[in-house]
Amino acid sequence: GENVEQHPSTLSVQEGDSAVIKCTYSDSASNYFPWYKQELGKRPQLIIDIRSNVGEKKDQRIAVTLNKTAKHFSLHITETQPEDSAVYFCAAPSQNSGNTPLVFGKGTRLSVIA
Amino acid sequence: KAGVTQTPRYLIKTRGQQVTLSCSPISGHRSVSWYQQTPGQGLQFLFEYFSETQRNKGNFPGRFSGRQFSNSRSEMNVSTLELGDSALYLCASTSEGAAGNTIYFGEGSWLTVV
Repeated sequence: GENVEQHPSTLSVQEGDSAVIKCTYSDSASNYFPWYKQELGKRPQLIIDIRSNVGEKKDQRIAVTLNKTAKHFSLHITETQPEDSAVYFCAAPSQNSGNTPLVFGKGTRLSVIA
Repeated sequence: KAGVTQTPRYLIKTRGQQVTLSCSPISGHRSVSWYQQTPGQGLQFLFEYFSETQRNKGNFPGRFSGRQFSNSRSEMNVSTLELGDSALYLCASTSEGAAGNTIYFGEGSWLTVV
């Protein structure tokens, strides 16, 4: 089955700097890679996702890149703000059919220091 | 559209008791899945239901069970509760599109076993 590794587990950046979180996956057949943001005491919220027919996707200050050859994908947050502080999870489907269920990385706790 | 609704939000149970959690997916979504979130193990898949049938199952003991009704609402049950079952139980509703599925989480049910 799929295995997802996420690094780093914690990340502190100064406000305005960029943050990068990386994930690797094991199943070369995986074709869907979402990122979730979870604020303290709240639900994981989908912030961006990428499907394997593209290498990069952007949404304002957030971007995700995918390298299928190396089996890794990354979340990039530019111009970080204090409200970006949260735990971020990457995921990949445990099987290729239907993109569910998801296997999650262990999470990255991002702290943006004002 | 209303989001994924889970009830109850918070509950405390005693070891040996059983608990039932409820989830109403986003209107029109037919697939519901359940995840357990703990600090040590992260987000782990429990099971997925589609059109009242269990479609996938994670690696949890038989004490964990679920079902889905004809209106797509789902319940999960945990019998003979153990201290280690204390966790945030998240229900996820799946949007099935031509490009693939997208998963949205509810706010979760916080279960404490004492």
